[in-house]
Amino acid sequence: QVLLQESGPGLVKPSETLSLSCAVSGYSISSGHFWGWIRQPPGKGLEWIGSIYHDGSTYYNPSLRSRVTISRDTTTNRFSLMLFSVTAADTAVYYCARLGDYDRWHFFDYWGQGTLVTVSS
Amino acid sequence: AIQMTQSPSSLSASVGDRVTITCRASQGVRNGLGWYQHKPGKAPKLLIFAASTLQTGVPSRFSGVGSGTDYTLTISSLQPEDFATYYCLQDYSYQWTFGQGTKVEIK
Repeated sequence: QVLLQESGPGLVKPSETLSLSCAVSGYSISSGHFWGWIRQPPGKGLEWIGSIYHDGSTYYNPSLRSRVTISRDTTTNRFSLMLFSVTAADTAVYYCARLGDYDRWHFFDYWGQGTLVTVSS
Repeated sequence: AIQMTQSPSSLSASVGDRVTITCRASQGVRNGLGWYQHKPGKAPKLLIFAASTLQTGVPSRFSGVGSGTDYTLTISSLQPEDFATYYCLQDYSYQWTFGQGTKVEIK
């Protein structure tokens, strides 16, 4: 069973950096699959932020690319999100998730429980 | 980036009703389309992948069809546990985009 768990501050000040970590158990992130971050602002829909492949390659949502870095630590089996220069519009529930292999495609199949991050002074 | 236009944004239906939700991609996504069910306070659940393949454990009242740019999710007979928000997700060239969501409410 693959389990994912987000952790990080629940409150970030405007213009500062949002930093979250996702701990994965039950599977080594360096063995396979894409791993990604998704967010949901209050009252709005889901938004893909970015993904990291098991080889370390990264892929980002073009609308966020200039402010996002996703990295991994294979020794602790974690991957992380950094979102720079945040504003109130970045307030959201942030999910980490695994992209499973489905035929030729990849879809999020295992998810963390989500963590609310509020941007406020 | 590929845009996904999902409709309707919300609908009201009764238990037993047939419900249809559509997603249109701004360009063809070659059946790289999945459907999710999302309930408040929970993680989204993958229902269908590759446009029409039912994920393991998902009831057969859910079905998906489509090709190219146009895809549809159908719930053949709505059950009480199906009231939720549904999203499509496209996978094209290592870029993923969700539709805006359809909230299915009780009439």
